[in-house]
Amino acid sequence: AQKVTQAQTEISVVEKEDVTLDCVYETRDTTYYLFWYKQPPSGELVFLIRRNSFDEQNEISGRYSWNFQKSTSSFNFTITASQVVDSAVYFCALSEANGANNLFFGTGTRLTVIP
Amino acid sequence: DAGVIQSPRHEVTEMGQEVTLRCKPISGHNSLFWYRQTMMRGLELLIYFNNNVPIDDSGMPEDRFSAKMPNASFSTLKIQPSEPRDSAVYFCASSSRDRGIRGYTFGSGTRLTVV
Repeated sequence: AQKVTQAQTEISVVEKEDVTLDCVYETRDTTYYLFWYKQPPSGELVFLIRRNSFDEQNEISGRYSWNFQKSTSSFNFTITASQVVDSAVYFCALSEANGANNLFFGTGTRLTVIP
Repeated sequence: DAGVIQSPRHEVTEMGQEVTLRCKPISGHNSLFWYRQTMMRGLELLIYFNNNVPIDDSGMPEDRFSAKMPNASFSTLKIQPSEPRDSAVYFCASSSRDRGIRGYTFGSGTRLTVV
């Protein structure tokens, strides 16, 4: 069965601090996809990144970086030099390639960046 | 591409009334998903379609909920009769079978309030 765990319910940081959001997943499938979405106060779900299970390279996009480690079934997300606009709920999600192709979400982490 | 289009954005209705939510997926996407987001249960999958065929409706709360996808460019989620506990944000999402570069694309959601 698929499961995504985001143990951090809420995090508060002061602007310009770095922050890491944790994500641990469970799946029996050998091929799967991992995602991060951002949900700002306006409510929409904004795609941030998609990762294939066979590509463990870490990725950096501006102030955002992702650390994918299959050995620990983790896909953590780091924001460097946080800004107030980063305040949002962040969701980690999993989709299995060989099973149903729906998307399983974690419970989300609410990040508040204090100016 | 205009993205996934949902209507209405907001819906306020009285208990017992029928509610119909609409979704237009991205052209070329062959999978469509309906999610519901509440504070208590987070983001939960209600139903999804592949090539217009319902694949898994196990997330549909009860018989009051029904979903259709008469063609590749349109889907509806109907609640009849509506109840206050149905109040939530309902998201529609679409994807291609290989998830594509951006994975799943979500609409802006419909905020439903049943009074």
